[in-house]
Amino acid sequence: AQSVTQLGSHVSVSEGALVLLRCNYSSSVPPYLFWYVQYPNQGLQLLLKYTSAATLVKGINGFEAEFKKSETSFHLTKPSAHMSDAAEYFCAVSDSGGSNYKLTFGKGTLLTVNP
Amino acid sequence: DTAVSQTPKYLVTQMGNDKSIKCEQNLGHDTMYWYKQDSKKFLKIMFSYNNKELIINETVPNRFSPKSPDKAHLNLHINSLELGDSAVYFCASRAKNEKLFFGSGTQLSVL
Repeated sequence: AQSVTQLGSHVSVSEGALVLLRCNYSSSVPPYLFWYVQYPNQGLQLLLKYTSAATLVKGINGFEAEFKKSETSFHLTKPSAHMSDAAEYFCAVSDSGGSNYKLTFGKGTLLTVNP
Repeated sequence: DTAVSQTPKYLVTQMGNDKSIKCEQNLGHDTMYWYKQDSKKFLKIMFSYNNKELIINETVPNRFSPKSPDKAHLNLHINSLELGDSAVYFCASRAKNEKLFFGSGTQLSVL
């Protein structure tokens, strides 16, 4: 069974500072990895995904993540935080496609951005 | 046009009641899901349907019964509601590129 661990339930940065949200995964097969963002009172939106192509994945809103197999990590970064980035961020893993496909989510990291 | 729409957005009810949450997607996807998000924001899959057939049932109590009349709809019926059922329930549908599209959630409060 696959799982993800998000280190830090709450990350606080200043506007303009680097954003780093950590995610480590566990999977018995090559994983598909995702980052989703949830703004207050909304559903989740996909930021980016890794599906065994390039290890550095660029997503929306200036976010990117790097798949590191040796470290079983898929950390999310953004060079310069914006106030609008304040939200809950979820890392997720799946094993493959097919009808049994399901995403397993981490417990989320709340990002706050201070002016 | 909302891609995945859930109704109602808020649901407040008494313990022991039976309630339903409806979900519809207009994306033409074959697979739909129900996820439960608890008060600590933890998201857990409940069910998955592919083309009206149940694919995944993650040891959810049988008080929860999903129904898929067609591949665009996946409704969730809950019998004998308990305090612990209070949560936000998200419907989602899956595209062929593995991306999940989520509804905006239904906040269920059981009193």
